[in-house]
Amino acid sequence: QKEVEQNSGPLSVPEGAIASLNCTYSDRGSQSFFWYRQYSGKSPELIMSIYSNGDKEDGRFTAQLNKASQYVSLLIRDSQPSDSATYLCAGRAINAGGTSYGKLTFGQGTILTVHP
Amino acid sequence: EAQVTQNPRYLITVTGKKLTVTCSQNMNHEYMSWYRQDPGLGLRQIYYSMNVEVTDKGDVPEGYKVSRKEKRNFPLILESPSPNQTSLYFCASKAFGGKGAEAFFGQGTRLTVV
Repeated sequence: QKEVEQNSGPLSVPEGAIASLNCTYSDRGSQSFFWYRQYSGKSPELIMSIYSNGDKEDGRFTAQLNKASQYVSLLIRDSQPSDSATYLCAGRAINAGGTSYGKLTFGQGTILTVHP
Repeated sequence: EAQVTQNPRYLITVTGKKLTVTCSQNMNHEYMSWYRQDPGLGLRQIYYSMNVEVTDKGDVPEGYKVSRKEKRNFPLILESPSPNQTSLYFCASKAFGGKGAEAFFGQGTRLTVV
């Protein structure tokens, strides 16, 4: 079983809609979670980080973390065609000192298409 | 400009011919890592380094070597490449402290082994 699993998609939403991307993880030691956006042929770009249960909002993006259920999600409000990309979920365990290092584990990615 | 630089961007090689992909960052970051990306598998970590002379295996280290003799450089070495190492490779870095993720990625190296 992969440590981080994403809905493989692809996901298609109309412009202006809310896109919902989901991710589950199996390692209860994972404490830090991240969402990356990757355009075709480009490097991953970090768009959200979340460390505590609940919601974290940044502009049109909201990340949600539920450690009891071991899932992470990303909501994109007012989706735009420019949001069309592959979205990667990643998780990392925090060491006893509270810093975060070591293995970063990615899900397989979800392809999002926003159509006009 | 803060950046991670990989070279080469594209490489076609033959099975068994040793090669090195270079990675350099100009941000004085302690932590550097290498990933490979294959269709349907996302990014998988090959090796990471928390500082000079400190390296550790990621999820898929077989067939790869790394070294960290200077803070800015973290080369990836394939001593005897095989076709199953055909992939897109990314180098990344971050400052050691804090909970953050790698925010700086190189442009990628597309490697084909024939």
